[in-house]
Amino acid sequence: QKEVEQDPGPLSVPEGAIVSLNCTYSNSAFQYFMWYRQYSRKGPELLMYTYSSGNKEDGRFTAQVDKSSKYISLFIRDSQPSDSATYLCAMNGGAQKLVFGQGTRLTINP
Amino acid sequence: GAVVSQHPSRVICKSGTSVKIECRSLDFQATTMFWYRQFPKQSLMLMATSNEGSKATYEQGVEKDKFLINHASLTLSTLTVTSAHPEDSSFYICSARLASGGFTDTQYFGPGTRLTVL
Repeated sequence: QKEVEQDPGPLSVPEGAIVSLNCTYSNSAFQYFMWYRQYSRKGPELLMYTYSSGNKEDGRFTAQVDKSSKYISLFIRDSQPSDSATYLCAMNGGAQKLVFGQGTRLTINP
Repeated sequence: GAVVSQHPSRVICKSGTSVKIECRSLDFQATTMFWYRQFPKQSLMLMATSNEGSKATYEQGVEKDKFLINHASLTLSTLTVTSAHPEDSSFYICSARLASGGFTDTQYFGPGTRLTVL
């Protein structure tokens, strides 16, 4: 079993839809959770970072963490074609190494 | 802030040659840098952790003699792929750890280097 599981998609939704991206994890030592966005042939860009259960909002993006269920989510409201990218969840337990999910390929159709 | 650059962005080389990739943190000091490899449509695979002034720590299965890492300063780490072969063709990405002094330190990624070995 992988430490972090993420549905690779692809996920295709119409413009304006609410997108929900999810990851589950098995290591209860994970405390810090991040979402990265990666455009094709580019390096990942940090979108959201959180270390506690609950919701964190930044513009159209909301990160949600449920440590009791070992489940994290990223919601994108009013999705735009420019949001089309691969979204990677990542987490660690205070050690230096990040553990990444496989990444979900998202396409927003105009 | 927290910008990481990589050079070159793309390199094509002949089999058997060595290729050096540079990773720089432009506006912050990074005591730790990480090197990843990413194959098409796959996630990032950590190759090694590079700490300034000390030897890199390689992940299991990564040949340290083939992938030489040098972290000579707080803003520069280099990855040298020695005697490259076609199977080394991949997208190499570095990241630098921004030490916030808080609960944890986030990683900021470079734009990646696409290596093609003919």
